[in-house]
Amino acid sequence: DAGITQSPRHKVTETGTPVTLRCHQTENHRYMYWYRQDPGHGLRLIHYSYGVKDTDKGEVSDGYSVSRSKTEDFLLTLESATSSQTSVYFCAISETTGELFFGEGSRLTVL
Amino acid sequence: AQRVTQPEKLLSVFKGAPVELKCNYSYSGSPELFWYVQYSRQRLQLLLRHISRESIKGFTADLNKGETSFHLKKPFAQEEDSAMYYCALRMNSGYSTLTFGKGTMLLVSP
Repeated sequence: DAGITQSPRHKVTETGTPVTLRCHQTENHRYMYWYRQDPGHGLRLIHYSYGVKDTDKGEVSDGYSVSRSKTEDFLLTLESATSSQTSVYFCAISETTGELFFGEGSRLTVL
Repeated sequence: AQRVTQPEKLLSVFKGAPVELKCNYSYSGSPELFWYVQYSRQRLQLLLRHISRESIKGFTADLNKGETSFHLKKPFAQEEDSAMYYCALRMNSGYSTLTFGKGTMLLVSP
């Protein structure tokens, strides 16, 4: 497995609270991604990064922000969590944009 | 915009039966196509990509540009093939991210 870890792995929070998910890699890959996985929707790209401090929006970026201050860390923040953001969040890394290596996922429940 | 369609949410077959997981795409250019797999309690991982034209775990997939399809096939399914399968597309022009389909759950029964 690629050296990629996500934290926390499980989180339950209440509507309106801020939440930050962390993705950490030890592979020194340039590209990092945050996806969400939902039944009936598959995997949808939230945000991605193509270098330190270089990020861009994906398909479902509303309500999410990201930061990448170091090559190895990519943070996903929900400023004010909503129930529609209950999901499983996957971080992925790649050196090119072809093969992605995924983390184990972070299950977020917003009550 | 590019789109990936996997028409079947669930495909259930018996062990030893042939399997075909369908994937269709819409993209006017020349795409790169991939199949990713997620086994129970494991990470998503790349199964195969069209440019390598290889067979992984007995699975093959051929890119058919005329039909804009990239169906995944295996002649004899095994129980350990049970998993969620995602087809994905990348535009072959400059920098591009992957667009995934909604996935097909394959269940192989004994």
